[in-house]
Amino acid sequence: TQLLEQSPQFLSIQEGENLTVYCNSSSVFSSLQWYRQEPGEGPVLLVTVVTGGEVKKLKRLTFQFGDARKDSSLHITAAQPGDTGLYLCAGKGYGGATNKLIFGTGTLLAVQP
Amino acid sequence: AAGVIQSPRHLIKEKRETATLKCYPIPRHDTVYWYQQGPGQDPQFLISFYEKMQSDKGSIPDRFSAQQFSDYHSELNMSSLELGDSALYFCASSHSGENTEAFFGQGTRLTVV
Repeated sequence: TQLLEQSPQFLSIQEGENLTVYCNSSSVFSSLQWYRQEPGEGPVLLVTVVTGGEVKKLKRLTFQFGDARKDSSLHITAAQPGDTGLYLCAGKGYGGATNKLIFGTGTLLAVQP
Repeated sequence: AAGVIQSPRHLIKEKRETATLKCYPIPRHDTVYWYQQGPGQDPQFLISFYEKMQSDKGSIPDRFSAQQFSDYHSELNMSSLELGDSALYFCASSHSGENTEAFFGQGTRLTVV
């Protein structure tokens, strides 16, 4: 069974601080996606990383895929209250046209004004 | 741009009743996934369909069944509902392929009383 562990599980910080969320697995994934979810809403796709070592930036968010494609990180610079939410990483395995997404355990971020 | 549409958004059922959840994927997406998310938990994969055929099965109870129709919409049928079935149910759609991105609907909140 492929498992994705996220850390930290909860994070409460002040506006303007930086933070990093980690997503780790013992399994190799063909791609990894990061989502943000608001309470009662569906996960919203932020980014997909495919190549080992890949780094993608989305404004103040920086995503990195590990060289071995087993782990990923999300770094937020100068966090704002609007960044508050549940951050989920999700890995897609190899083989098959419809390989399901395996979700990480989630990181609940609260940014205080 | 069109997104994944789920209906209904909210559903209240009594124990032992049945419920049907509907999902309309993004146009030209051929793959549909169903996920269940309990309170404070990450989404758990239930089942997926590709080109109207079941392609992968996760932790879906035997009391649940699903199908994908010729217009690619999907329905999740839930019978003999139990209190523990109360959760958010998400549908996601994507193109087929290893590194394609999955986009989620806003979910159906099912409450069993």
